[in-house]
Amino acid sequence: QSALTQPASVSGSPGQSITISCTGTSSDVGGYDYVSWYQQRPGKAPKLMIYDVTKRPSGVSNRFSGSKSGNTASLTISGLQADDEADYYCSSYTARSTWVFGGGTKLTV
Amino acid sequence: EVQLVESGGGLVQPGGSLRLSCAASGFTLYRYSMNWVRQPPGKGLEWVSHIVASTTTAYYADSVKGRFTISRDNAKNSLYLQMNSLRAEDTAVYYCARAFNFDSWGQGTLVTVSS
Repeated sequence: QSALTQPASVSGSPGQSITISCTGTSSDVGGYDYVSWYQQRPGKAPKLMIYDVTKRPSGVSNRFSGSKSGNTASLTISGLQADDEADYYCSSYTARSTWVFGGGTKLTV
Repeated sequence: EVQLVESGGGLVQPGGSLRLSCAASGFTLYRYSMNWVRQPPGKGLEWVSHIVASTTTAYYADSVKGRFTISRDNAKNSLYLQMNSLRAEDTAVYYCARAFNFDSWGQGTLVTVSS
């Protein structure tokens, strides 16, 4: 199972918006609405930010939003804050009843 | 409060075995599907295994199939990962994560496979 494709890095200034893409295939991202996004700070465990493509867990800021078009999912962070600087990973359920993660994107604010 | 605490990591020689544990608190583990996810040093996340809620049905990544076994002990509210025939490329921090959406994660336990 090949990893989902994410840009290695993105950057933005405080207050701006950024979008991180996550490209898969019709057997994963395109075939199921089970795409999630995770934030990981250095030395820490990942934290769920978005699930089921667009849903936000309780406690996650509404500055984080998710979407999907075809085989590509996206995470948008609006009103960037310094605290948003972290690595971000997408994941998707697959047709083989497995999960696949993206390679990760380093966000610099 | 949901809490997951992994243990059992350490240094093991190639070809050796190790059993990881994940102790759950704040929820009843068997009512949830559970996962193991690993992260090699300095690299990205890799899904390893999933056990379906209230069953013994399990799924594995191709990279560990036939070598790793996921299980749970309902009485101890704990999840396990038995790892056999370990290879250098299995070196990673291993996390347990709850549910289909990986909504809660432990702090991880480091497994190093080296001679």
